[in-house]
Amino acid sequence: DVKVTQSSRYLVKRTGEKVFLECVQDMDHENMFWYRQDPGLGLRLIYFSYDVKMKEKGDIPEGYSVSREKKERFSLILESASTNQTSMYLCASTPGTALANVLTFGAGSRLTVL
Amino acid sequence: AQTVTQSQPEMSVQEAETVTLSCTYDTSESDYYLFWYKQPPSRQMILVIRQEAYKQQNATENRFSVNFQKAAKSFSLKISDSQLGDAAMYFCAYRPPTTSGTYKYIFGTGTRLKVLA
Repeated sequence: DVKVTQSSRYLVKRTGEKVFLECVQDMDHENMFWYRQDPGLGLRLIYFSYDVKMKEKGDIPEGYSVSREKKERFSLILESASTNQTSMYLCASTPGTALANVLTFGAGSRLTVL
Repeated sequence: AQTVTQSQPEMSVQEAETVTLSCTYDTSESDYYLFWYKQPPSRQMILVIRQEAYKQQNATENRFSVNFQKAAKSFSLKISDSQLGDAAMYFCAYRPPTTSGTYKYIFGTGTRLKVLA
């Protein structure tokens, strides 16, 4: 019954490595989001996408890029991982543009950069 | 800029008792949505309850209810008859109107709720 799937629950990477975090939703949602969750800071938006190949920067896009080649898949890319990118990453999706739309979250990907 | 503030980093409640989690927000909009999300330990974040800003009636979902004070920009969550399964991180979130040109949801910093047996 999983609707938003994040490919990796736990990752350990080295500084400077390129990291891909994958997110797939099976609900035909238009909008997809990548958040970063840190203690005391809540959820901060990195990027979101409202359509295939469309993306907008969130509040903390520096050091990250995204790719949305297919409607169901939204990837977060760390071109050169740094220790300050150690965090929990949450993917979420919503349908359409209605105000009532509820975010459906994935289980999260906990990334440790050494 | 819109902001969401949760001033209680951590709360505790005795099993079967009632607890209220606070949330305030700042916006100049009149039409928006507010949400409470729950994140159990090591588990997926899920919706608890949502409130439409244009509705005066407070939303209720079983043991969960909100006290929505639009003028005060306050949106607190009341959990009645607390259960051990209610232990989680709770996030308050604001969704601006689409007329604002953004799809961004804005989250508070969270309140960790502990339920004592």
